[in-house]
Amino acid sequence: AQTVTQSQPEMSVQEAETVTLSCTYDTSESNYYLFWYKQPPSRQMILVIRQEAYKQQNATENRFSVNFQKAAKSFSLKISDSQLGDTAMYFCAFRQTGANSKLTFGKGITLSVRP
Amino acid sequence: SAVISQKPSRDICQRGTSLTIQCQVDSQVTMMFWYRQQPGQSLTLIATANQGSEATYESGFVIDKFPISRPNLTFSTLTVSNMSPEDSSIYLCSVEGWGWGGYTFGSGTRLTVV
Repeated sequence: AQTVTQSQPEMSVQEAETVTLSCTYDTSESNYYLFWYKQPPSRQMILVIRQEAYKQQNATENRFSVNFQKAAKSFSLKISDSQLGDTAMYFCAFRQTGANSKLTFGKGITLSVRP
Repeated sequence: SAVISQKPSRDICQRGTSLTIQCQVDSQVTMMFWYRQQPGQSLTLIATANQGSEATYESGFVIDKFPISRPNLTFSTLTVSNMSPEDSSIYLCSVEGWGWGGYTFGSGTRLTVV
């Protein structure tokens, strides 16, 4: 079974600075997807970024980028130029390839951006 | 990607009663997923609902407590039965997004049982 570990329960960052959220996972699969989801107080789950395991290039979406280390089974999220609207819970998630595979989530991390 | 309309957005219910949560998707999807998120916790999969067959429940969740309906390819309901305060959670439905490997979520139902 796959597991996703987010060991930091909370983090805080000053507005406009950079923060990195950590995630590790465990799987015996060679190909899979990894995601970061954001959940603001509105509780809507919003996809931040995704990474396909067979792609060596790290995914980037505007201010959000990942550091994907497949051998180490590590998938960290870097948020640059942090904004107040980035305040939310962030969940790392894993899914196997194949249609309708379920998502396995980490415990989440609460990120607070200070003005 | 698909757009999901989830209702109700929140409810306060008496213990011992039942609540049915609805999810409507704007496109046909094979599978729908139901999650529970207890206060301050991560998402836990309750069950996977396939149209035309019984839902598949994860360990720790049973059909008598969480019956699921999937009458067509765009709609599903989750009922939380015989509720107790321990059922107070956010419940979310989700579907797979075509072509990009990720999942889209409904806006969630915040349930409080008193």
